[in-house]
Amino acid sequence: SQTIHQWPATLVQPVGSPLSLECTVEGTSNPNLYWYRQAAGRGLQLLFYSVGIGQISSEVPQNLSASRPQDRQFILSSKKLLLSDSGFYLCAWTSLGARAGELFFGEGSRLTVL
Amino acid sequence: GESVGLHLPTLSVQEGDNSIINCAYSNSASDYFIWYKQESGKGPQFIIDIRSNMDKRQGQRVTVLLNKTVKHLSLQIAATQPGDSAVYFCAENSGGSNYKLTFGKGTLLTVNP
Repeated sequence: SQTIHQWPATLVQPVGSPLSLECTVEGTSNPNLYWYRQAAGRGLQLLFYSVGIGQISSEVPQNLSASRPQDRQFILSSKKLLLSDSGFYLCAWTSLGARAGELFFGEGSRLTVL
Repeated sequence: GESVGLHLPTLSVQEGDNSIINCAYSNSASDYFIWYKQESGKGPQFIIDIRSNMDKRQGQRVTVLLNKTVKHLSLQIAATQPGDSAVYFCAENSGGSNYKLTFGKGTLLTVNP
């Protein structure tokens, strides 16, 4: 069966510090990978998605970047965090098989920037 | 830009009643719609989906209705239970085969015992 792992689960960082959130998927190959951000009490905003290794599409201009160094690894980064980067970050994947389009989400990483 | 939104931000129902959560979408090119349930502090979980060539789909205690004429999507939950309390999001696929889902703001469903 497929699983998705996301870490760290919680993170408190000072303004101006770097960020690295990691996400890995097991049990599938060549998935589409996504990073979403959810502000408190709000919906999910798509930040990045990737259809393959090294292929990253950015949806909104921001202080963050994403990389996909391996087929099932997706990393969200920042060189210098802003207060506005606080939120709940969710990694997700989908296959292009029978259940194409159904996103499977990780448990999320809660980032607080102080 | 085009977006997905919800008519009601909160919904409170009595246990055993039926719940209806509504969603309006504006991208007429969207071909796939999904309802997700998100419990506090967790990632969203798939409930049910529907493709644009259908107008109704039923699951276990849930039914999704799609009205393409008015660009409206609804989720019906039968015999609502306390465990159904969560935030419900509708999402539309605006990315074609890349499956780029745009989510609505969410509706908080509270089930009173």
